[in-house]
Amino acid sequence: SQQGEEDPQALSIQEGENATMNCSYKTSINNLQWYRQNSGRGLVHLILIRSNEREKHSGRLRVTLDTSKKSSSLLITASRAADTASYFCATVYQAGTALIFGKGTTLSVSS
Amino acid sequence: GAVVSQHPSWVICKSGTSVKIECRSLDFQATTMFWYRQFPKQSLMLMATSNEGSKATYEQGVEKDKFLINHASLTLSTLTVTSAHPEDSSFYICSARGVQETQYFGPGTRLLVL
Repeated sequence: SQQGEEDPQALSIQEGENATMNCSYKTSINNLQWYRQNSGRGLVHLILIRSNEREKHSGRLRVTLDTSKKSSSLLITASRAADTASYFCATVYQAGTALIFGKGTTLSVSS
Repeated sequence: GAVVSQHPSWVICKSGTSVKIECRSLDFQATTMFWYRQFPKQSLMLMATSNEGSKATYEQGVEKDKFLINHASLTLSTLTVTSAHPEDSSFYICSARGVQETQYFGPGTRLLVL
């Protein structure tokens, strides 16, 4: 079963613009993670935010977590064509161990 | 970081044959391994969780007799798709977890059943 829902499902922007993707989840979590997947390839881990954190930065990435709303956002600043990929949020249930993935956002950055 | 490999990366087989996919943790001991399936333009769906030396736990709707999982050692788990059919064509991804909470993902295996 899928834990999260991302929106938008698809996002098209120009290079240099910022891209924001949102993720909502259903139950209590230990942490929330964001992954990137280039077409037909494996997953790349981007960032992990714990349930007691509200914001985290990594390079051009900024992730927020609002546990009261059960939602997270991923912001990519100054996007590049190489950022074109699918982005997934994934969570671990407090009671379980497996990462459960959201449906994903497909980002297309044109130059 | 920790590395997880999968073999093969690509497999094409005839309908009715069985296919084995290997997942190895190369530089750490994986007490738990996970198998996911991803259809085109969809997300990853968890199929099963396996702990070394014990039977795998399958997610609802996943046939355990069709998708045989063996986690015989702390560095190797195998997924065997038995009597594969075209609808089993998919991208299969494994991940492994050691004592840390991070799951490390393999590069995936693309299965095409003709």
